[in-house]
Amino acid sequence: NAGVTQTPKFRVLKTGQSMTLLCAQDMNHEYMYWYRQDPGMGLRLIHYSVGEGTTAKGEVPDGYNVSRLKKQNFLLGLESAAPSQTSVYFCASTINQGRETQYFGPGTRLLVL
Amino acid sequence: KNQVEQSPQSLIILEGKNCTLQCNYTVSPFSNLRWYKQDTGRGPVSLTIMTFSENTKSNGRYTATLDADTKQSSLHITASQLSDSASYICVVSGYGGATNKLIFGTGTLLAVQP
Repeated sequence: NAGVTQTPKFRVLKTGQSMTLLCAQDMNHEYMYWYRQDPGMGLRLIHYSVGEGTTAKGEVPDGYNVSRLKKQNFLLGLESAAPSQTSVYFCASTINQGRETQYFGPGTRLLVL
Repeated sequence: KNQVEQSPQSLIILEGKNCTLQCNYTVSPFSNLRWYKQDTGRGPVSLTIMTFSENTKSNGRYTATLDADTKQSSLHITASQLSDSASYICVVSGYGGATNKLIFGTGTLLAVQP
């Protein structure tokens, strides 16, 4: 099992450009999440999904969109990147809600100039 | 306001020594508390998960304690190794335990020196 994988690992964008971050998991998990991690702050939830075809807003959803067309994939899109979106993005998955373990991907480091 | 505060922010210890990291939270209602280890440049990895009825949970050399009355948790690392150098993140779940309502602390950065 590869667990949770993320592509790309690193990306530099100019302000206004768009991009899509891909998260894939091979554990047949229903729940998937996108977080951002910024210096001096805890991880913050951007969007999440409770199953194929569903998405929901988290704590900081503005400027991002997501899609979950396949159970194993969760895409995070930036339509018009801004410098404030410079961050490290982590995808996570879990089999269900509650006290189940969350499995995190290795992260995508994004720099918006 | 639901918050998770960790102390110290950073810590340096010598290899082989023990250390204890602290976590105080104000999340209510409380469901469970998690400790994660995050190596530099990697994603967090779960160490322990405890509900309000569990006072202690161990994972190898890592032992977490929970006092739901005082809303405090600690992570004790025994006989530290160089590979323990990482950020340790305390995470609290409220609202019936929904994982979309996790509140993350900012972490304690631990450096283990030879």
